[in-house]
Amino acid sequence: EAGVTQSPRYAVLQEGQAVSFWCDPISGHDTLYWYQQPRDQGPQLLVYFRDEAVIDNSQLPSDRFSAVRPKGTNSTLKIQSAKQGDTATYLCASRGLGVETLYFGSGTRLTVL
Amino acid sequence: GDSVTQTEGQVALSEEDFLTIHCNYSASGYPALFWYVQYPGEGPQFLFRASRDKEKGSSRGFEATYDKGTTSFHLRKASVQESDSAVYYCALGDGTYQRFGTGTKLQVVP
Repeated sequence: EAGVTQSPRYAVLQEGQAVSFWCDPISGHDTLYWYQQPRDQGPQLLVYFRDEAVIDNSQLPSDRFSAVRPKGTNSTLKIQSAKQGDTATYLCASRGLGVETLYFGSGTRLTVL
Repeated sequence: GDSVTQTEGQVALSEEDFLTIHCNYSASGYPALFWYVQYPGEGPQFLFRASRDKEKGSSRGFEATYDKGTTSFHLRKASVQESDSAVYYCALGDGTYQRFGTGTKLQVVP
C-alpha cells in the first residue's frame, strides 16, 4: 500500500510570491489534514477535510492561505503571498474511517527569503 | 482548549540507558493519547496509542500508560539504542484532529 505522497519536497521563495503544495493521501482514507511544522516545533493544524468538505479551517490564515480537496482524494494547499514567517515544513496526513492513527507524508520544506 | 505538554526539549543518553520522556495533557472528557516518532526529513510515524485510564500502549520496546489521575502518558524504554535517536511527539486526539506537543529530541550515543 502506497503511503501519503507530497510534492514538491522543497520550495524556496521570495516574500510576496505564491506557492502550492500537493498531497495524495492513502487510497480510501476519507480524512485529510494539513499541518504546519515550524523548525524545532510540533505539527500545528491548518485545515482538515472529510471527503471533499472542509471540516475545520479556523486555524488557516484565510487572507493568504487556501486549501481544496475537490474530489475527496488529492488536496492542494496554496499560499497566495508568502511571508518569511511562513517558513516551515508543511505536512499532509490522512486517516481512514473509524481509525484514529494519522499517516503522514514526508512534507514540503518551505523557505521564504 | 485541549493541550499537550512535553517538558524535555532534548534528552541525551548512552546506549542501554533507561529512557523517560514526560507528557502531560489537559483536556475535557476522555481523549486518546498517542506517541509519534519523527526522523530527519520524514513526517511523524505512529508508535502507539491508548484511549482509557490505565491502558498501556507499546511498540518497538517503547511503552506508556494512560494515567487519568496525573493526566500523563510518559514514554519509557528500558534500554535505548543509537537507532532510537529521533524526535518524539506526544499527541492528543478527540476524534477530530490531533494536537501535538513541542517534541523531545532524543540523542543516543554509542
